[in-house]
Amino acid sequence: ETGVTQTPRHLVMGMTNKKSLKCEQHLGHNAMYWYKQSAKKPLELMFVYNFKEQTENNSVPSRFSPECPNSSHLFLHLHTLQPEDSALYLCASSRTGTTGVETQYFGPGTRLLVL
Amino acid sequence: AQKITQTQPGMFVQEKEAVTLDCTYDTSDPSYGLFWYKQPSSGEMIFLIYQGSYDQQNATEGRYSLNFQKARKSANLVISASQLGDSAMYFCAMREGILQAGTALIFGKGTTLSVSS
Repeated sequence: ETGVTQTPRHLVMGMTNKKSLKCEQHLGHNAMYWYKQSAKKPLELMFVYNFKEQTENNSVPSRFSPECPNSSHLFLHLHTLQPEDSALYLCASSRTGTTGVETQYFGPGTRLLVL
Repeated sequence: AQKITQTQPGMFVQEKEAVTLDCTYDTSDPSYGLFWYKQPSSGEMIFLIYQGSYDQQNATEGRYSLNFQKARKSANLVISASQLGDSAMYFCAMREGILQAGTALIFGKGTTLSVSS
């Protein structure tokens, strides 16, 4: 499946910058997710949106602000980040409402470096 | 306590050989799903195979099969006839409460597989 796109693929930003990550899915799914993947750590869930409603915020600092205007688009707004926020940010989507198999399909990720 | 444990940081295999990547999980939920993903150096997480807790048979997808041992809480991935393109990081993941919509995946730390010619 290559139906989840993310832009930009790479991003370098200073701690005072404001930037946004974009995710778009073309799979007709209704749930979207943001994950963070830091070096040598498991993927960590950040946010979950189901039918545009945020259903989970995994204790993420307020310098990360998600936005889900519709079921196909998901944004992650970044401001005053810290160097430890440097990571690969992965977006995923799934179709909920089915029994059991609710496979999440991932985008290619945005590699973020905070200087 | 870790919910997903992958004890092999790195595995090495020669082309055309089979390899088993280990995964154990911990949950008290009777309804859960287990997933394996492949992550090449490009970063994208590629879905490989799924096993539901109520599935009677082990899942298979092409060269991938899942050795599901429920009593031992293990869900090992078996890759048959390894190819050079199989070199990547492999993640085991679990979703609890599969009858609920939109619950997140819990990932292990991953295993790096290197396939040599």
